[in-house]
Amino acid sequence: AQSVTQLDSQVPVFEEAPVELRCNYSSSVSVYLFWYVQYPNQGLQLLLKYLSGSTLVKGINGFEAEFNKSQTSFHLRKPSVHISDTAEYFCAVSETGANNLFFGTGTRLTVIP
Amino acid sequence: NAGVMQNPRHLVRRRGQEARLRCSPMKGHSHVYWYRQLPEEGLKFMVYLQKENIIDESGMPKERFSAEFPKEGPSILRIQQVVRGDSAAYFCASSLLGQSNTEAFFGQGTRLTVV
Repeated sequence: AQSVTQLDSQVPVFEEAPVELRCNYSSSVSVYLFWYVQYPNQGLQLLLKYLSGSTLVKGINGFEAEFNKSQTSFHLRKPSVHISDTAEYFCAVSETGANNLFFGTGTRLTVIP
Repeated sequence: NAGVMQNPRHLVRRRGQEARLRCSPMKGHSHVYWYRQLPEEGLKFMVYLQKENIIDESGMPKERFSAEFPKEGPSILRIQQVVRGDSAAYFCASSLLGQSNTEAFFGQGTRLTVV
């Protein structure tokens, strides 16, 4: 069975500081990995995804994530955050060939001016 | 090109009533997914449909919940005899292909409150 763990439920960070949002997963088969962002009262928007190839994935809004197979992690990073990055961030996993996503419980990023 | 459209955005129902949530996928998408987000939790998969077919309903509660995606019109998630525990945000997503490696586009959700 697959599972996704986002250890940090809330992450406050000052504007222009770097941030890392952690995501660990478990699965017995190959997986695809995703990060979604949810702004208040909005739906989810895809930030980036890892399907195969280079383990460093670049997404929108300056975010990137690195797939580490040995540590079963897919941490999200941004070198310098903006106020507009305040949102809920969800890590998601899908087993190859599956038809649905399995989400973590989310990390609420709050950027402090 | 409009995105995934869900309506209503907010729905209030009394216990025992029926709730009907609608989802119109992006143009050209024939794969629809429903997810439920309980307070302070992540999204949980409920059901995956293609036109006129339910492909995977492994996340659907066995009773009171049903979903359809007719040949014409939006996908409908129906909850009969709602209870307080059904209060949640329900998100619909659509994709061009049915494989997990293609991007699923999400709607803004319907927030159901059962009073």
